[in-house]
Amino acid sequence: DGGITQSPKYLFRKEGQNVTLSCEQNLNHDAMYWYRQDPGQGLRLIYYSQIVNDFQKGDIAEGYSVSREKKESFPLTVTSAQKNPTAFYLCASSGGTGLGGANVLTFGAGSRLTVL
Amino acid sequence: GQQLNQSPQSMFIQEGEDVSMNCTSSSIFNTWLWYKQDPGEGPVLLIALYKAGELTSNGRLTAQFGITRKDSFLNISASIPSDVGIYFCAGRRFIIQGAQKLVFGQGTRLTINP
Repeated sequence: DGGITQSPKYLFRKEGQNVTLSCEQNLNHDAMYWYRQDPGQGLRLIYYSQIVNDFQKGDIAEGYSVSREKKESFPLTVTSAQKNPTAFYLCASSGGTGLGGANVLTFGAGSRLTVL
Repeated sequence: GQQLNQSPQSMFIQEGEDVSMNCTSSSIFNTWLWYKQDPGEGPVLLIALYKAGELTSNGRLTAQFGITRKDSFLNISASIPSDVGIYFCAGRRFIIQGAQKLVFGQGTRLTINP
């Protein structure tokens, strides 16, 4: 079945360590996104990528980095510069172009990062 | 970044009751989306609204795109236990070349007493 796979589901990290979250999609979508979710808050955009080898900062990009070397993959690195990294991280993708119709975001199941 | 004002933040209801939640924004959106999130999972799209004034149903769910394009509501009729979860509204803006930016509400946590 087509979908988005995030791994690992749970990750523990010591302070000062970088960690990379994986996101793979087989939906043939051009655009991919990373969101952060904290309790009691909506999702906030970290980074997005419209196409391979291109990505843009979202609203809360500080302390994060991404790469988009393949259409299917959009890994997120949480660096030691991120002051409050403990959160639930969601990857999403969307396909097609244009303003209307379908092309809504499809989300993965998320990765929960806890900094010890 | 901007967030939508979603209310109520939580609801505790009896099974079989109807549910209503809404989102408001200070700015206009081209599309309104409603997602449901189960614990430890990603959000799943319930309803998408593309035109101001549009009223759309999906089974027991009904949602409307406000005529001012600054608000939307979601109703759930005859709630059942599997409706438990967090419901998010999202306003959508397109960036360029098909990429899109969603602005999310804070979520409505629905709890159902059997």
